[in-house]
Amino acid sequence: GAVVSQHPSRVICKSGTSVKIECRSLDFQATTMFWYRQFPKKSLMLMATSNEGSKATYEQGVEKDKFLINHASLTLSTLTVTSAHPEDSSFYICSANPRLNTDTQYFGPGTRLTVL
Amino acid sequence: GNSVTQMEGPVTLSEEAFLTINCTYTATGYPSLFWYVQYPGEGLQLLLKATKADDKGSNKGFEATYRKETTSFHLEKGSVQVSDSAVYFCALRASGNTPLVFGKGTRLSVIA
Repeated sequence: GAVVSQHPSRVICKSGTSVKIECRSLDFQATTMFWYRQFPKKSLMLMATSNEGSKATYEQGVEKDKFLINHASLTLSTLTVTSAHPEDSSFYICSANPRLNTDTQYFGPGTRLTVL
Repeated sequence: GNSVTQMEGPVTLSEEAFLTINCTYTATGYPSLFWYVQYPGEGLQLLLKATKADDKGSNKGFEATYRKETTSFHLEKGSVQVSDSAVYFCALRASGNTPLVFGKGTRLSVIA
C-alpha cells in the first residue's frame, strides 16, 4: 500500500528555536497534503491544507507565521515550527492524498515534538 | 459545520467479547465515512470506509454500516483479540479532496 514517511520521528528542542518536519509520499504523488496536530488523549486537529505549488490554507486559530508550510514538490511537504515554545509540544501528523486517487488519505507515523 | 461524535473511552473488554463503538456525525450533503485505527507507537491506518448510505465497510473482522437515517457509523466486531487494543477514530470527509474531520478517538484495551 501507499507509504507516507515523516522525519524526524522525535525531536527535542530548546524554546525559541525552529524545527522542521518533513512529510514524504514514498511511492505516489500527492497534490494535497494535510497537517494535523494531536494532543494527548485528544483527537486530531487539522492545522492546514498544503497544496503543491501554492500557499497552504490554514485553519482558523492556526498562526501561519508560526507554522510555516511548504509543499515544494508532489512528494514532499514540510512544516516548520518557528520560535518554538513549550506549548507547541505535541504530536504532529501529516497525511497525503494520492494524485490519482483522492478518495483515500494515507497518514505518516507522526513526529513527537518536545520543546524544553 | 461538519462534526463527528464517538463514544468516549477507554473501553476494556475480555478477549472474544463483542465490541461496539458508537459514532454519529453531522454533515451537509453526503459525506464519506471512515474508521481509522492507531496502534501503540504507530501512525493512523485506515480500517474501513463507506462512501454512501447503506454501504457496509468491513476489514479484519470489523464492520460498520453507513446509516443515513440515524447519521451513524457504529464500529462492531464479534470477537475481539488482544491485538485489537488500539485507539479507534471515526471520521468523515465531505468530498474528494477535503480534509478528514475526526472524532475524539476511543481507546480499546482487550485483556486475555
